[in-house]
Amino acid sequence: AQSVTQLDSHVSVSEGTPVLLRCNYSSSYSPSLFWYVQHPNKGLQLLLKYTSAATLVKGINGFEAEFKKSETSFHLTKPSAHMSDAAEYFCVVSTRSGNTPLVFGKGTRLSVIA
Amino acid sequence: IAGITQAPTSQILAAGRRMTLRCTQDMRHNAMYWYRQDLGLGLRLIHYSNTAGTTGKGEVPDGYSVSRANTDDFPLTLASAVPSQTSVYFCASSEMGQGYNEQFFGPGTRLTVL
Repeated sequence: AQSVTQLDSHVSVSEGTPVLLRCNYSSSYSPSLFWYVQHPNKGLQLLLKYTSAATLVKGINGFEAEFKKSETSFHLTKPSAHMSDAAEYFCVVSTRSGNTPLVFGKGTRLSVIA
Repeated sequence: IAGITQAPTSQILAAGRRMTLRCTQDMRHNAMYWYRQDLGLGLRLIHYSNTAGTTGKGEVPDGYSVSRANTDDFPLTLASAVPSQTSVYFCASSEMGQGYNEQFFGPGTRLTVL
């Protein structure tokens, strides 16, 4: 079965410093992986996706993620945090299954300190 | 282009009452989904529809029903609401089902059952 684990429930960084949000996945086949962001009282917005093309994926707002099959990881990074990056981030794996097409991680709350 | 709209934005409901949450998309996506989001539990799939005229059960379907009479609309009905159904409900759509494509989310409906 496919699963995803977000290693940190809360990450706090200072404005202008790098961001690292960690995600490990489990999949019996080459997965599709996604990162979504949710700002307070909003819906989820797609940041980026990996679908077996380039292993380094660039997304919106300066975020990127690297697919590492040997480590079963898909960590999200950004070189310099901005106050507007404060939000909840979800790592998601596809399952190719009809009744649970996407499996969501529990989320990582990113706080950005001025 | 609106994407996905949900109504109402929020609702307070007495236990035992019937409630229908509305969801409409204008992207002509084949697949649609209903999730509930609860603190500490992330997003859980309630029901899904891979194409108009078909529906399926997700991870937490009990107490909920859906219909998919056309491509654009995917209403979620609580036949007799209970307090444990207090949650934020998100509707989503994707070009195809089975997790091959990213999902696009609506803004959510905050439901409180007293």
